[in-house]
Amino acid sequence: GQQLNQSPQSMFIQEGEDVSMNCTSSSIFNTWLWYKQDPGEGPVLLIALYKAGELTSNGRLTAQFGITRKDSFLNISASIPSDVGIYFCAGQLKGEGAQKLVFGQGTRLTINP
Amino acid sequence: GAVVSQHPSRVICKSGTSVKIECRSLDFQATTMFWYRQFPKQSLMLMATSNEGSKATYEQGVEKDKFLINHASLTLSTLTVTSAHPEDSSFYICSARVLSGRVNTEAFFGQGTRLTVV
Repeated sequence: GQQLNQSPQSMFIQEGEDVSMNCTSSSIFNTWLWYKQDPGEGPVLLIALYKAGELTSNGRLTAQFGITRKDSFLNISASIPSDVGIYFCAGQLKGEGAQKLVFGQGTRLTINP
Repeated sequence: GAVVSQHPSRVICKSGTSVKIECRSLDFQATTMFWYRQFPKQSLMLMATSNEGSKATYEQGVEKDKFLINHASLTLSTLTVTSAHPEDSSFYICSARVLSGRVNTEAFFGQGTRLTVV
């Protein structure tokens, strides 16, 4: 099936550092979504992107929908302890299968105080 | 954002019994709900797509008779794990998409259900 390649798989950073993660695919997506999941909880939507080239911010988070429609990145600035968790990208395919979301493998973020 | 409520959050059942998990959209109508399964330290695996008033569409490799899905209204979908076995133990998560004229709509997730079969 369709796959999103999300990287890095894990990150160990110091509090206050900036974070960057990205997702790429060989398929074209209509929508890119970024989620954060805490242990034992469902994913929570952080940012939704709908147009190629779109750059959207949500507080310290910034995400962009790649021009080619095949990639997206998420940046977190000045990380704080509550940013710890697993971040997932998700894309909605163009055309057939457009109802479903395809998920990346996740990026596990660990912050050292 | 929209609220999706999933119940129960945790359930322990005996092998051979059935378990029902509910997924409700609290403040919006959802024509489509999705059921996922997540193993530890892994991503979400889509099990089935549930459309209100019609039969669910299952992903390849997911047993229809084992994972019964009912989407009787625009705010409720249920997943029943029938004749549960220990290998069915997992984290099950539902999500719902907002009913809208827009093509692209966000998907909101429930809190997840931790199923343990003993």
